[in-house]
Amino acid sequence: NAGVTQTPKFQVLKTGQSMTLQCAQDMNHEYMSWYRQDPGMGLRLIHYSVGAGITDQGEVPNGYNVSRSTTEDFPLRLLSAAPSQTSVYFCASSYSGASGEETQYFGPGTRLLVL
Amino acid sequence: RKEVEQDPGPFNVPEGATVAFNCTYSNSASQSFFWYRQDCRKEPKLLMSVYSSGNEDGRFTAQLNRASQYISLLIRDSKLSDSATYLCVVRVYSSASKIIFGSGTRLSIRP
Repeated sequence: NAGVTQTPKFQVLKTGQSMTLQCAQDMNHEYMSWYRQDPGMGLRLIHYSVGAGITDQGEVPNGYNVSRSTTEDFPLRLLSAAPSQTSVYFCASSYSGASGEETQYFGPGTRLLVL
Repeated sequence: RKEVEQDPGPFNVPEGATVAFNCTYSNSASQSFFWYRQDCRKEPKLLMSVYSSGNEDGRFTAQLNRASQYISLLIRDSKLSDSATYLCVVRVYSSASKIIFGSGTRLSIRP
């Protein structure tokens, strides 16, 4: 299994540009989520999905869109990039184990710089 | 107020010391609890889940107090390799399930 993959690893954008951060998982997890991590802020939830066709907003959704057309993929779209969106973005997925235990698996992250 | 709050540290302790972190959560619909570890510039990885009865994994002990809405992590006989940021994580079950991270506690073990 590849686990959770994210592309690109690094990206530089100009203010106003749009782009899509890709996330895919091959573990058949129903739950997927996007976080951004800024210094001293920890991970903040942007959007999440509990299954294909279902998405919901997290703590900091403004400026981002998501869709979940398949179980495997959960892309994050930046509609019009702003310098405040400079951050490290992590995608994660999780399952519910037989004992009720749930483990989140993270992708390696995308480092985004908006000029 | 943040849904999950942690002391950011940093905690700077000598090798072999015992160190404890606390984390408080505000949402009473919280049902699952975890500690994650994050090394510098890497993705977070699960350290251990936290069960109501408390649980231990080697040098690590996690406890949950639902009445006071806090969880704790105790590290005994700390090693240099324990240096990392420790993230408290809560899964909330309400109209939809979501996973919330604390901002992390930074731990540095010195020789």
